[in-house]
Amino acid sequence: GQNIDQPTEMTATEGAIVQINCTYQTSGFNGLFWYQQHAGEAPTFLSYNVLDGLEEKGRFSSFLSRSKGYSYLLLKELQMKDSASYLCAGLNQAGTALIFGKGTTLSVSS
Amino acid sequence: DAGVTQSPTHLIKTRGQQVTLRCSPKSGHDTVSWYQQALGQGPQFIFQYYEEEERQRGNFPDRFSGHQFPNYSSELNVNALLLGDSALYLCASSLRGMNTEAFFGQGTRLTVV
Repeated sequence: GQNIDQPTEMTATEGAIVQINCTYQTSGFNGLFWYQQHAGEAPTFLSYNVLDGLEEKGRFSSFLSRSKGYSYLLLKELQMKDSASYLCAGLNQAGTALIFGKGTTLSVSS
Repeated sequence: DAGVTQSPTHLIKTRGQQVTLRCSPKSGHDTVSWYQQALGQGPQFIFQYYEEEERQRGNFPDRFSGHQFPNYSSELNVNALLLGDSALYLCASSLRGMNTEAFFGQGTRLTVV
């Protein structure tokens, strides 16, 4: 199977750091994506990890451990505009389909 | 450089009707994938079109069908609409059948009444 699990909701305050975890069954994925989706809008690409380790991109970082079936998205210096749904998605072996989790709704308050 | 465009943006249909949604991929992309996103859920893969053929299909009934044209644009058709088909339908474009750099359109919000 290719289930992806992530928390349903998280809350944080402006300026803080938040880590959104994602776990998946270790077989069948060829890389792990994170997307941001504001209400009523299209998902926008944040990161793609194909190898183990941490990828840093400005305020956002993403980590992958393939052996543990675990990834996280780290958001630093939170801003109100970071309030959104964050989607974890695995790429199937053929590279033809993204398998998404249900998303984590992050609410950032002042 | 136009991104992924979808039409219409919103649509209301009655149960049992048929609907056609359209997608134009990002300039330079040749692959289109369709996803269904129900409220509060993550997108679910419907199918992918590359070289005018359906290359992979998710767990959706035959009521869902598609087509890709020589200019790489694509249509998603849903027959015999059910209330449960109400969702945001997203189109993602990429290159050479791979989704390592997939860009999503704004989606079509379909409501079935």
